[in-house]
Amino acid sequence: NAGVTQTPKFQVLKTGQSMTLQCAQDMNHEYMSWYRQDPGMGLRLIHYSVGAGITDQGEVPNGYNVSRSTTEDFPLRLLSAAPSQTSVYFCASSPSAGARDTQYFGPGTRLTVL
Amino acid sequence: DQQVKQNSPSLSVQEGRISILNCDYTNSMFDYFLWYKKYPAEGPTFLISISSIKDKNEDGRFTVFLNKSAKHLSLHIVPSQPGDSAVYFCAAIEPPYNNNDMRFGAGTRLTVKP
Repeated sequence: NAGVTQTPKFQVLKTGQSMTLQCAQDMNHEYMSWYRQDPGMGLRLIHYSVGAGITDQGEVPNGYNVSRSTTEDFPLRLLSAAPSQTSVYFCASSPSAGARDTQYFGPGTRLTVL
Repeated sequence: DQQVKQNSPSLSVQEGRISILNCDYTNSMFDYFLWYKKYPAEGPTFLISISSIKDKNEDGRFTVFLNKSAKHLSLHIVPSQPGDSAVYFCAAIEPPYNNNDMRFGAGTRLTVKP
C-alpha cells in the first residue's frame, strides 16, 4: 500500500516551459487536492477534485490545470511556468471532501522556475 | 490575508521538557482545528484535532487546547522527544467542514535537543 505518490521529487524549469506533476493514490479515495507551500505561508489549495471527472478551483488556481480521469490519478499541469510558481507542491487525498476524514499527503515535488 | 497565524517560525526545547506551539486565527466562523506534523522530505501527516465544543483534546503526549474567545489554540507536547523535531502546521475550518475550505498556518519548526 503506497499511499499517495508524487513524481518527480525535484524539477527545474525555465520560464515559459510546461510540465505535469504526477499524483497517484491507491486508497480508492474520492477526494484529491493539490497544495503549494511557500516560505512564510501556509499550504494553499490550488485545485481539488471530489471524484473522477469532477474538478474545481481552490485558493490559488491561476497558471495551473488539472484533470481527474480516474479515481487514482490527479495530475497538475503548469501551462507556462513562471518564477512565481517556484514552490513545493503537495498532493493529498481523503476518503471524502469532509474535513473529519483525514487527508493523506504525498512527499512533495520541489519545483524551481528560472 | 492569512486567517491562521503561527507567529513563531521556530522553537527549540530540551528533551523531556514541554513544547508549546501556538496558533491564532482571525475568522470567528472557524470551529474545527487540526494539527499536522511534517518531517523533511515527507508530506504533512495528521496529528490531532479539536472541535469547538471542547476546550481540550488529548492523545498520548499531545494535547491541544482551544480558547475560542481569544481565537487561540496551542499544541502541548509532554515530554518532548528528539523524534518530535519537525514542522507543525495548524489548520482551521468552518462549517460545512469541506477540505477545500481548510486554511493552514505557515508552520513552526520544532527542534528537540537531546
